[in-house]
Amino acid sequence: SQKIEQNSEALNIQEGKTATLTCNYTNYSPAYLQWYRQDPGRGPVFLLLIRENEKEKRKERLKVTFDTTLKQSLFHITASQPADSATYLCARALSGNQFYFGTGTSLTVIP
Amino acid sequence: NAGVTQTPKFQVLKTGQSMTLQCAQDMNHEYMSWYRQDPGMGLRLIHYSVGAGITDQGEVPNGYNVSRSTTEDFPLRLLSAAPSQTSVYFCASSYRQTNQPQHFGDGTRLSIL
Repeated sequence: SQKIEQNSEALNIQEGKTATLTCNYTNYSPAYLQWYRQDPGRGPVFLLLIRENEKEKRKERLKVTFDTTLKQSLFHITASQPADSATYLCARALSGNQFYFGTGTSLTVIP
Repeated sequence: NAGVTQTPKFQVLKTGQSMTLQCAQDMNHEYMSWYRQDPGMGLRLIHYSVGAGITDQGEVPNGYNVSRSTTEDFPLRLLSAAPSQTSVYFCASSYRQTNQPQHFGDGTRLSIL
């Protein structure tokens, strides 16, 4: 099984706070982990990719970490805004171009 | 910029009917794939293709066929629709390497009665 799990189905936070979403995987470490954002009625949109040998990756207010010991990736949104409200998906990429997605975490940023 | 285009956006079928979901991309991506998204299940890979003439099964291929005659198009065929195939279907494309981001269409919402 190439299971990948996102711990929380839903997360509510106050505007301006940092949102932290968790992605856990089983078995061996994926070469890459990707994070996507999905808005209602739309397809997922790619946000960030982190490699197995990278500890951290940043893009503007977004930060992703990858801990192969814990078999976990954390996704942070700093200074959160209501426009950040969406569902966030993580995906592990294996050889052969097969991707396995988590079930997603629905984030609501409260003004 | 069209990106990944899926048609139709919505469809209702009766059990036993067949149908083809269309997917086209204009980014010259080698890799294309089909997912279904169900509540509580996340995105599950149905079939994928690493280039024209090459297809392979994903996690949940039963009841679906694909072909890849051109780089641009990757249609998904439901041979005999069943209520269990009621879902939202997404097509995605990317460059071939696994470190490349996937570009998704906006989905086809399919109901089987």
